[in-house]
Amino acid sequence: GAGVSQSPRYKVAKRGQDVALRCDPISGHVSLFWYQQALGQGPEFLTYFQNEAQLDKSGLPSDRFFAERPEGSVSTLKIQRTQQEDSAVYLCASSLVRNSGNTIYFGEGSWLTVV
Amino acid sequence: DQQVKQNSPSLSVQEGRISILNCDYTNSMFDYFLWYKKYPAEGPTFLISISSIKDKNEDGRFTVFLNKSAKHLSLHIVPSQPGDSAVYFCAARIMNRDDKIIFGKGTRLHILP
Repeated sequence: GAGVSQSPRYKVAKRGQDVALRCDPISGHVSLFWYQQALGQGPEFLTYFQNEAQLDKSGLPSDRFFAERPEGSVSTLKIQRTQQEDSAVYLCASSLVRNSGNTIYFGEGSWLTVV
Repeated sequence: DQQVKQNSPSLSVQEGRISILNCDYTNSMFDYFLWYKKYPAEGPTFLISISSIKDKNEDGRFTVFLNKSAKHLSLHIVPSQPGDSAVYFCAARIMNRDDKIIFGKGTRLHILP
C-alpha cells in the first residue's frame, strides 16, 4: 500500500498477556517512529529507528516494552505482561530521510485495550 | 512536564469565521514546529509547519504564526469549513539533534453550521 500500515487495528488483551504490534512503513522510508496515545492525550514518543538501528528508546515506559526492526523495514512493538495502563493507541510513523521535518507519515494506529 | 502545551481542549467556531488554535512551548531549543490534524480512528496527518527563523507561514486557508520571544504559536484557519472539524495537535522538534517530535495534548475543533 501507499501508506504506513499497522496491524492489528484493534486488540483486546487480558492483563498479563503478551502482545505484538506490527508496522509496515512506506517502502524505502529509513526512519521509523513508535508513539503511544492514551485517551485524551497527545501522542507520546516511545522509540525511533534509523534503518535497523534503534537510535532512541528513551520513551519506552518500562522494560516490558520492546521494539525491533531487524531488516530495516517492518517493525514490531512488543509489550510483555500487559497492564491496564498500557491501554492506548499505538501509532507508527515513517519518513524518507532523517530530520525530514514535515514529511513524517503516520499509520492509523493499533488500538490496544487491556482488560 | 509538558514541553508543548495546548491549553484549550476544545473550540467551537461558526462556519465561515476564523478559527484560531493556540500553542505554547517551554523548550527554547525547539526550532521547528508542526501542526497535525486528526480525524477519529485515523492517524495524525501533517497540516503545516514553520521553522524558527520565520514568524509566519501560509498555505491556502491555513496560516501559522510564531512568536519566539513569547514561546507561542498559533494556527489560523480562514474561512473555517465543516471538514475542518477534527483534533489539532501542535508539535515541535529540535532539528539536526533530536529525531522525535513532541506533541501537545490537542484541541478539538468543532465547526458549527
